[in-house]
Order: sequence, then C-alpha cells, then structure tokens
Amino acid sequence: KAGVTQTPRYLIKTRGQQVTLSCSPISGHRSVSWYQQTPGQGLQFLFEYFSETQRNKGNFPGRFSGRQFSNSRSEMNVSTLELGDSALYLCASSLQGGAEAFFGQGTRLTVV
Amino acid sequence: ELKVEQNPLFLSMQEGKNYTIYCNYSTTSDRLYWYRQDPGKSLESLFVLLSNGAVKQEGRLMASLDTKARLSTLHITAAVHDLSATYFCAVDHGGATNKLIFGTGTLLAVQP
Repeated sequence: KAGVTQTPRYLIKTRGQQVTLSCSPISGHRSVSWYQQTPGQGLQFLFEYFSETQRNKGNFPGRFSGRQFSNSRSEMNVSTLELGDSALYLCASSLQGGAEAFFGQGTRLTVV
Repeated sequence: ELKVEQNPLFLSMQEGKNYTIYCNYSTTSDRLYWYRQDPGKSLESLFVLLSNGAVKQEGRLMASLDTKARLSTLHITAAVHDLSATYFCAVDHGGATNKLIFGTGTLLAVQP
C-alpha cells in the first residue's frame, strides 16, 4: 500500500517568489492536512482539506493557501516568500475526520 | 485554545535504563497520538490512544492516557541506542476534523 507522497522533497527559492507543494494521500483517504515544522516554532497546523473543502485553518497569514482536487490530492501555495518560511512542510492524510493521520516524507523548503 | 506541553525537552540516558516522557494538554480531547521522528525524516506513528485508561505497548515503548488528568506518558523500558530520536505527542483538536496540536518534542539520546 503506497504511503503519502510529497513532491518535491527539496526546494530552494528566493525571497519574494512563490512556491507550490504537492501531496498525494494514501488511496481512499479523503482528508489532507498540512503542517509546518521549524526549529523555533515546532510543528504547527496550517490547514485541513476534506472532499475539496477547507475544513480548518491554522494561524498563518493569507500568503499560505491550499486546495484539494477531486482525487484528494492537495497542493499548498506560499506567495511572497520570506526567510522565515524556510521549514519542513509535512502533509498528512486520513481516511476521514478524526481518524489516524499518516505523514508524508515532507518537503524541505529553503528561502534565500 | 488547546495547548500541549511535553517534558523533558531533552533526555540523555544510558542503555538499559528506564525513563518516562510526559505530555500534558489543556482542554478535553478524546484522541492522543505519539510519533517518532528521526533526523531529517518524517513522523512515524507509534501509538493512538482513544480512551481514558488506554494503554498500548510496542517493544520497549508503552504509552498510556489519563483523560481526567489530561496526561499521557510514554515509558521507555531498558533503552537501546536504536530508540534515539525525537518523540512527539499530539492531541487532536476534537470533532470530525483532523487538526493536531503537537507538543514541543523530546529529543532522546541513548548512550551505549
């Protein structure tokens, strides 16, 4: 059974640029959540999508956005990148709300 | 607002010793998770605790949940070097959504 797949694994961007990260959940899972991990702030919830609808959102600026497609694949976008956006971005998929979350390998974003 | 406190932040222990990691959370929740993270890697699910008094064991790790005290523990028995990693507890925000609030993590270093 394939796990959660995140692409790309590594990314280097310049301040002011925008970036799009992709997450393919486990087959059959309809909930996708995104988290940001930094040494200073730890693991923080970004948002959750279920059946193409954003169901929950964390305390992040509007530069962070996401969407989910009909096949449950999800993308997150960060516009006008700042140095502080450098982080490991983790995607998690679940069968449904309240079910166990399984994490992907993450995308390591470096903003220079 | 749900807050999760984990201690200690860092734990250095010798092989063969026992120790406990504590996870306190601030509001009622029915679901608590323990994850392991190796350096540069993603989160590996260890335990899912769903009810008061739940106890789960896997190898040298045992997790328990006391929802009345809002406390979960991860007990390590006879530690071995392979257990060296960062351990996170995470509390589900509740309801039919998937929003995990993570503790700060405990960096465990098992010395031979």
